[in-house]
Parts: sequence; structure tokens; C-alpha cells
Amino acid sequence: RKEVEQDPGPFNVPEGATVAFNCTYSNSASQSFFWYRQDCRKEPKLLMSVYSSGNEDGRFTAQLNRASQYISLLIRDSKLSDSATYLCVVNSRYGNKLVFGAGTILRVKS
Amino acid sequence: SAVISQKPSRDICQRGTSLTIQCQVDSQVTMMFWYRQQPGQSLTLIATANQGSEATYESGFVIDKFPISRPNLTFSTLTVSNMSPEDSSIYLCSVPPRDRLANEQFFGPGTRLTVL
Repeated sequence: RKEVEQDPGPFNVPEGATVAFNCTYSNSASQSFFWYRQDCRKEPKLLMSVYSSGNEDGRFTAQLNRASQYISLLIRDSKLSDSATYLCVVNSRYGNKLVFGAGTILRVKS
Repeated sequence: SAVISQKPSRDICQRGTSLTIQCQVDSQVTMMFWYRQQPGQSLTLIATANQGSEATYESGFVIDKFPISRPNLTFSTLTVSNMSPEDSSIYLCSVPPRDRLANEQFFGPGTRLTVL
């Protein structure tokens, strides 16, 4: 079983739609959780950290469920520019080591 | 976030040769990380580059194949030795933020390597 699992997609949605991505992780000792965004042929960039209480940044909302070892990302009012691969990232039991999911592809179409 | 540059940005190499990739950060950082992203895959950590000591390699990666140098707190190199087509990947370095406790990482632009 992979340490971080995501639905690879692709998710094809129209502009303005709301879309949600899910991610599960296997290491119950994980303490830090992130969503990264990776555009085609570019490096990953931090989208947002995920906190236990849930957090929101504009159109993006991240949720963490420690009991179920589950992380989600909700994007409201999708824009064409949101098209990218979204990577679920979890720190390992070894502190600074990050483990990346395989990514979920989002395509927003007009 | 730190400003990270990598050289070369891309290269096409022959089987059996070696390539050294450089990573330069605009500030001093304790830890630097090297990742590989094979075509269509996510990122896999190769090793952690420690200043003043040997790099720490992840399972499946060995020093003979991926020697790493870390001569100071702003610079590191990764060498891909005796290359084969399976080494064709994007190689990325990353660093944690300077002034925060959280352990997210920031990535360099990557080096796109094609081995013929």
C-alpha cells in the first residue's frame, strides 16, 4: 500500500464548478499535511498547509480527518487557471521527510 | 520563501556518462533535499544533503549512483552516474523555509534529464 494515495483523475469540470479532491495516508504518526500544485513542466509549489481545524484560503478549503487519516481539498468557483496537478503531501515519521501522493489532475474548461 | 536555482535546466546525455546538477539557494539552509520525478510520476526523495557530513539516502538510492556534495549552506550538487535511459527524469532540489517551524519545502525549477 502506498503511504499517500490519491485519485489520479483527471477531473474535467466546467468553469465555476466546485470540485473536491481526497487523499488518504497510512502513517498515523504524520504531523504535517500539505497540498501542492504542479503545473505542466514546472516544479511543485505549496498551495496550502492543512491544519486539524481545517483552513480556508480564498476559494480553497482544506480539511484533515486524523481519525480516518484523510485529507481533502475543495476548490470553489473553478477558474481555467486552476488546471494543474494537485499533490497531497504528508511528512513521514522521520521529521522533515515529505512523502508525495501521485497527484490528481484537474482540467477546468470553458 | 528562498530563491532556488538549478543548473543545467535540461540536458540530453549518452548512456554510461555522468551528469552533475547544481542547486544554489539565496540564503543559508541547514537541510537540502534532492528528489526525482520520473515521467508521469510523483516526486520521490533521493537523499538529504547535510552540510559537513555525508548525505542520507533513501531506500533504493545509493551513493555510488547518486553522489552528493554539500560544501556550504547555500549550495549542493547531485551527480547521476553511469546513466541509463531509466534515469531520464526531472531532478529537483528543495529546502525548508528559513524562518518558520513548519516543514513544508520549496523547490527549485528542476533539471530535466534525458538519457539516450
